[in-house]
Amino acid sequence: AQSVTQPDIHITVSEGASLELRCNYSYGATPYLFWYVQSPGQGLQLLLKYFSGDTLVQGIKGFEAEFKRSQSSFNLRKPSVHWSDAAEYFCAVGGLSQGGSEKLVFGKGTKLTVNP
Amino acid sequence: NAGVMQNPRHLVRRRGQEARLRCSPMKGHSHVYWYRQLPEEGLKFMVYLQKENIIDESGMPKERFSAEFPKEGPSILRIQQVVRGDSAAYFCASSLDNTDTQYFGPGTRLTVL
Repeated sequence: AQSVTQPDIHITVSEGASLELRCNYSYGATPYLFWYVQSPGQGLQLLLKYFSGDTLVQGIKGFEAEFKRSQSSFNLRKPSVHWSDAAEYFCAVGGLSQGGSEKLVFGKGTKLTVNP
Repeated sequence: NAGVMQNPRHLVRRRGQEARLRCSPMKGHSHVYWYRQLPEEGLKFMVYLQKENIIDESGMPKERFSAEFPKEGPSILRIQQVVRGDSAAYFCASSLDNTDTQYFGPGTRLTVL
């Protein structure tokens, strides 16, 4: 069965510091991988996605993620965090399952706090 | 191009009442997914629909919950005889096809008193 683990429930960084959010997945085939961001009381916004090809993926707002098949990981990074990046971040895995349903399986999220 | 629309944004129901949540997908999208987010949890898949068809309902509770996506109009998630445990945020997502990125709506926050 598909699963996603985000080991860090809560991370605090200072503004301007670098950031790495961890994501490990379990999936039987080549996965589709996603990072979404959710601000309080809001919906989910897609940051970036990996379907195939280059394993380093660039997203919006200066984020990037690297797919490492050998480690079953898809960690999210940003070189310099801004106060507006404070939010909850969700990693998700999807792919064509039986019947063609590309339902997403989400991790439990990592809440990011940014100190001034 | 409007994004995924959901209404109402907030819904309060008393135990035993019915809740109807509506989702209008992005223009041109014919695939709709419903997810539920419980407090302090990630999103959990409930159901996947195409126009007039339920493709995958493996995440739907067996009783009280139903979903439809008619030929005309929005997709509806219906919860009958709500209980306190149904309190959650319900998100709808849409995509062009089953290999495309899912785009999420703002969610409906259901509170059951």
